[in-house]
Amino acid sequence: DSGVTQTPKHLITATGQRVTLRCSPRSGDLSVYWYQQSLDQGLQFLIQYYNGEERAKGNILERFSAQQFPDLHSELNLSSLELGDSALYFCASSGGLAGVDYEQYFGPGTRLTVT
Amino acid sequence: LAKTTQPISMDSYEGQEVNITCSHNNIATNDYITWYQQFPSQGPRFIIQGYKTKVTNEVASLFIPADRKSSTLSLPRVSLSDTAVYYCLVGDRGQAGTALIFGKGTTLSVSS
Repeated sequence: DSGVTQTPKHLITATGQRVTLRCSPRSGDLSVYWYQQSLDQGLQFLIQYYNGEERAKGNILERFSAQQFPDLHSELNLSSLELGDSALYFCASSGGLAGVDYEQYFGPGTRLTVT
Repeated sequence: LAKTTQPISMDSYEGQEVNITCSHNNIATNDYITWYQQFPSQGPRFIIQGYKTKVTNEVASLFIPADRKSSTLSLPRVSLSDTAVYYCLVGDRGQAGTALIFGKGTTLSVSS
């Protein structure tokens, strides 16, 4: 158990809908990272937050957005969903570095299925 | 833009040493090179990281040449439980911060 929690575990929704994925980092970790994992694209970095502020962006679509709240939990919002958004979404957290920390602790993931 | 290349798959037998190499170019010059392990239906798990030369911990060694254009993860005496996907991770510094680039992963199959 990494100490990172993600909810829900599974999510099934229809095209065009909007969903919110939630992540609680390990106790004391200030950075949260979001990743998308699909069979054809592999593990894709989406975005990093540090102590409530956006620190780095990867291949995140404009239809996707994220935020980190004062209690350090984070949410990833996916809107206007398409079939191709079906994937595993991972959240990871790391300690106190303001920059990127390559030693991250991953949650169990949320499996999103868009029908 | 940083790119990584890893073998898609490797086969081994229990007790053998396994070396998995990742080629990476245009990576952030002052950042770590990191390796992760992933089992089915689980999140990746950190194995080891290094900046240059050789790093060893209780589960693996990591070799990084001076030019940092590749790295080799070495797993000594693998067991069946080492069957998993192994990813290298590098950074690419840009205007939007440091983007994290995972390799496509190497599926290691260990047989008895």
